[in-house]
Amino acid sequence: EDKVVQSPLSLVVHEGDTVTLNCSYEVTNFRSLLWYKQEKKAPTFLFMLTSSGIEKKSGRLSSILDKKELFSILNITATQTGDSAVYLCAAHSGTYKYIFGTGTRLKVLA
Amino acid sequence: DSGVTQTPKHLITATGQRVTLRCSPRSGDLSVYWYQQSLDQGLQFLIQYYNGEERAKGNILERFSAQQFPDLHSELNLSSLELGDSALYFCASSSVTGVGSPLHFGNGTRLTVT
Repeated sequence: EDKVVQSPLSLVVHEGDTVTLNCSYEVTNFRSLLWYKQEKKAPTFLFMLTSSGIEKKSGRLSSILDKKELFSILNITATQTGDSAVYLCAAHSGTYKYIFGTGTRLKVLA
Repeated sequence: DSGVTQTPKHLITATGQRVTLRCSPRSGDLSVYWYQQSLDQGLQFLIQYYNGEERAKGNILERFSAQQFPDLHSELNLSSLELGDSALYFCASSSVTGVGSPLHFGNGTRLTVT
């Protein structure tokens, strides 16, 4: 059965800290790994990763995929209170499904 | 704004009733996905349509059904509602089913069954 597991489930840090969020996956005919940020409503797209070892960056956020070990990490440096959200990862399988993990709830304290 | 429109935003109904949730995908997107998000269960995949045809099914109950119309909008029908069906229902769209196209989510419909 397709599965995506995220860790930790929740995290509380102070502004300026660096955090690393983990995502491991087991899906049929893996195609891509996606990261989303969910605040109050709709998840918003952050990154899509298809190749191992190539880092994607957007400002203070970066992500990398390891297709051999079947995991991805999302790094956030110099965290701000606006980074407080649930971060979701999803694996896109060859059966057309996007399977989501349960998310990591990040709280950044001022 | 993702470009995906969901209506209504909120729905309150009683057990045993039937409701219809509507989704308009982003312009040009052919794929529509439905997800259910409960407090303790994360985003659960229900069903996917591509250009009017069902492509994949997830943990969708038999009481639930969906369709995608020729204009590409989609409806999710929930019947014989139970208290446990209370959740946030998201629609998402993508342009293709292969690699290279992330999902874009609507703001969801919050369903409360009393």
